[in-house]
Amino acid sequence: EVQLVESGGGLVQPGRSLRLSCAASGFTFDEYAMHWVRQAPGKGLEWVSGISWNSGSIGYADSVKGRFTISRDNAKNSVSLQMNSLRAEDTAWYYCAKGNGYAHEYNWYDSWGQGTLVTVSS
Amino acid sequence: DIQMTQSPSSLSASVGDRVTITCRASQSIRRYLHWYQQKPEKAPKLLIYAASSLQSGVPSRFSGSGSETDFTLTISSLQPEDFATYFCHQSYSTPQTFGQGTKVEIK
Repeated sequence: EVQLVESGGGLVQPGRSLRLSCAASGFTFDEYAMHWVRQAPGKGLEWVSGISWNSGSIGYADSVKGRFTISRDNAKNSVSLQMNSLRAEDTAWYYCAKGNGYAHEYNWYDSWGQGTLVTVSS
Repeated sequence: DIQMTQSPSSLSASVGDRVTITCRASQSIRRYLHWYQQKPEKAPKLLIYAASSLQSGVPSRFSGSGSETDFTLTISSLQPEDFATYFCHQSYSTPQTFGQGTKVEIK
């Protein structure tokens, strides 16, 4: 059974940093792209970032480009999201999602974690 | 960016009803269109991928159709557990984008 468990969320002041992690199990991690998708409370879904199986291809939403960095450690079956210069509008539930193939493009997300809440407020 | 427009934003229906939700892309996305169901306080769940393929374990009352810019999610006979919010998602172009969601409520 695929399991994705996010961690690292919490309350942070504007301008500060936070690092989210996602621990994966139940599948061959280094054969799949991984993604972060967020959802502001009561709002819709927004793709944040995706990373290919070998970290060779990475994509970001314009809203986070230059501030967020996605990375993965295939030896530890984990994917991370380093979030710098956080803004109030980054407040959201952050979900880790498994892509259906090697590349992060053209993916659908066949498994999701339960999410971790990031609140950016002074 | 490709804009995804879902309609309606919400609907009220009864158990047993046939429900149709549409999703329109601002440009062609071929068949890179996927549908998710989300219940309150839960993560989204994949229902349909590549416009019309049913995800393993999803009941056959769910179906998808369409290509290029116009897509449809149909629930043939609404069940109590289907009351939720549904999102479409395009992965043809980066950034990947979602529709705003359709909330299906009990009439």
